[in-house]
Amino acid sequence: AQSVTQLDSQVPVFEEAPVELRCNYSSSVSVYLFWYVQYPNQGLQLLLKYLSGSTLVKGINGFEAEFNKSQTSFHLRKPSVHISDTAEYFCAVKESGGSNYKLTFGKGTLLTVNP
Amino acid sequence: NAGVTQTPKFQVLKTGQSMTLQCAQDMNHEYMSWYRQDPGMGLRLIHYSVGAGITDQGEVPNGYNVSRSTTEDFPLRLLSAAPSQTSVYFCASSYSRKFSYEQYFGPGTRLTVT
Repeated sequence: AQSVTQLDSQVPVFEEAPVELRCNYSSSVSVYLFWYVQYPNQGLQLLLKYLSGSTLVKGINGFEAEFNKSQTSFHLRKPSVHISDTAEYFCAVKESGGSNYKLTFGKGTLLTVNP
Repeated sequence: NAGVTQTPKFQVLKTGQSMTLQCAQDMNHEYMSWYRQDPGMGLRLIHYSVGAGITDQGEVPNGYNVSRSTTEDFPLRLLSAAPSQTSVYFCASSYSRKFSYEQYFGPGTRLTVT
C-alpha cells in the first residue's frame, strides 16, 4: 500500500515570493504522482502529474514539481505567487501499471498568499 | 461537456435518515469514485467502480452503499445517517486509456447530519 505525507499543513507567504510545498510518498512499487488544487468551496482540479520521463514536470498557473525517486519526494514549486494562488493543495499517488485506478491523497497544504 | 455533476450541493439530515447523493459524468469514463473530505484528513476513498456493474470498497466504506448500473451514473447511498458522516463528498471520474489517469472532480455535496 502507498501513503503520502505533506509536510506542512499551512504555508503563509507574501505575494511575489517563491513557494515550495513539500510532499513525500511511500510505496513498494513504482508510482505515478499528482498535485491537485482546491480553491475555496470548489472541487479539485489537476495542477500537474508525473507518469514517466523527465523528472521536472510543469503544470498550469506557473507551477512545477520535481520527482526525486531516491528521496521519494515530489515537491511543488512556484517562483512568484499571486493572491489568486491562495488555495489548498493536495499531493496524490497511484501505483503505476495494472488496473489499479485508486489515488491516495495527502492531508493537504493550505497556501495563503498575503499582500 | 458538463463534466462531473453532483446533486444536491447542500443537504441536512437527521440521525437515522437515509438519502442518495447523485453523481453523473458525460465523458464516458470507466472509473468513478466517491471521496469524503474532512478537515485535516485530506480525501478518503469510500467506494469506487471500474465499470458498469463493478464496484469495490475503498478506505472508509462503512455506512455507505453504491451501485453502477450505467457508465454515466454512480450514486452513493447513506443507509442510516450518523453525525460522523457530516462531511463534504466528492465524486470523481477517470478515463484510464492513454494512461492519463487524471481524475475529474465534481463540485461536491456538503452534508450535515444532526
